[in-house]
Amino acid sequence: SQQGEEDPQALSIQEGENATMNCSYKTSINNLQWYRQNSGRGLVHLILIRSNEREKHSGRLRVTLDTSKKSSSLLITASRAADTASYFCATALNTGTASKLTFGTGTRLQVTL
Amino acid sequence: DAGITQSPRHKVTETGTPVTLRCHQTENHRYMYWYRQDPGHGLRLIHYSYGVKDTDKGEVSDGYSVSRSKTEDFLLTLESATSSQTSVYFCAIRAESNQPQHFGDGTRLSIL
Repeated sequence: SQQGEEDPQALSIQEGENATMNCSYKTSINNLQWYRQNSGRGLVHLILIRSNEREKHSGRLRVTLDTSKKSSSLLITASRAADTASYFCATALNTGTASKLTFGTGTRLQVTL
Repeated sequence: DAGITQSPRHKVTETGTPVTLRCHQTENHRYMYWYRQDPGHGLRLIHYSYGVKDTDKGEVSDGYSVSRSKTEDFLLTLESATSSQTSVYFCAIRAESNQPQHFGDGTRLSIL
């Protein structure tokens, strides 16, 4: 079963606007990661936030993590047409042999001119 | 971009035939992963490796086997392909704990 669920499933905004995507998960985690996927390509890592962190920034990206609510959000500020992609959250849990990621179903972001 | 190459990039085959997908990395990373991506399911872990000859099952391992005889190569085998295994398959690598995974560009596999 999926650990992370993104909301909304699809989002359409105009260039220059901010885009916010949310992720909820079910169990304890070591860290939470956000990835971007352009059509026909592999996933690209955007940002990793550890379970003891509450907020993290990287360029135009801002990620928050609320472990008490088991939720995270990704904010993309001043969006550009090149931000059009699918965005996935993934929760990481360290097992005895490796850290495994469990992905949500993603948010499709469309940024129009 | 991380040095990850998946081959083939596209394959069409028939039900019942064996299929092997290859993931090759030039980063000398310890961990390697195979996922499948299907509409409505996101990415699901099939198998992973935590070292040469060290592998373990993921969430959807039935019908798949893997092998890792050297650090740079991780093979995914469908012993007898079924139509339900039609999917896009992604390989990923990771250096150490609390590090992100880096993905290949995927193999689109169609089983008729």
